[in-house]
Amino acid sequence: AQKVTQAQTEISVVEKEDVTLDCVYETRDTTYYLFWYKQPPSGELVFLIRRNSFDEQNEISGRYSWNFQKSTSSFNFTITASQVVDSAVYFCALSGPNAGNNRKLIWGLGTSLGVNP
Amino acid sequence: NAGVTQTPKFRILKIGQSMTLQCAQDMNHNYMYWYRQDPGMGLKLIYYSVGAGITDKGEVPNGYNVSRSTTEDFPLRLELAAPSQTSVYFCASTDRQGAFFGQGTRLTVV
Repeated sequence: AQKVTQAQTEISVVEKEDVTLDCVYETRDTTYYLFWYKQPPSGELVFLIRRNSFDEQNEISGRYSWNFQKSTSSFNFTITASQVVDSAVYFCALSGPNAGNNRKLIWGLGTSLGVNP
Repeated sequence: NAGVTQTPKFRILKIGQSMTLQCAQDMNHNYMYWYRQDPGMGLKLIYYSVGAGITDKGEVPNGYNVSRSTTEDFPLRLELAAPSQTSVYFCASTDRQGAFFGQGTRLTVV
């Protein structure tokens, strides 16, 4: 069975702190895709990153970085020097071999990040 | 590009009323989806479509219907609204890069 676990329900940090959001997944597929989405207080869902199961390189985009480790089935997301605008709910998701066919997209329950000034 | 456009943004329905949530995308995506998001929860798939004329049920289809007469449009119909359908509804379309979401429709059934 496929499953995504985001064990941290809520995280609160002070601005400029680094924060890591955990995502652990389960799947029997050998090819799969992992995603992170951001949902700010305004409610929309914003795509952040897609990673396929054959690419374990870490990725950095500005203050955001992602650490994909197949050995621990984790795809963690780190925000460096957090800012108030980073306050949002962050969702991790998993899909099967065909990334376009995400009827198999399995969502975690999200981590609510609050960044205080 | 407008991306995925959902209307309306907010709606209040009385129990037993019907309505249609509109969704349109201009990215020529074949795959489109309707999700609902209940407070503090992730997304649950209601219906999806892999192309014009083809639709299929997701996890929570009861009380909803969809149609896909064109690639661009994927409306969601609520028949006989119930309080359990109070939720935020998201339409999405996908390509190989990921899913693109509309801004959501906040629906309250009273």
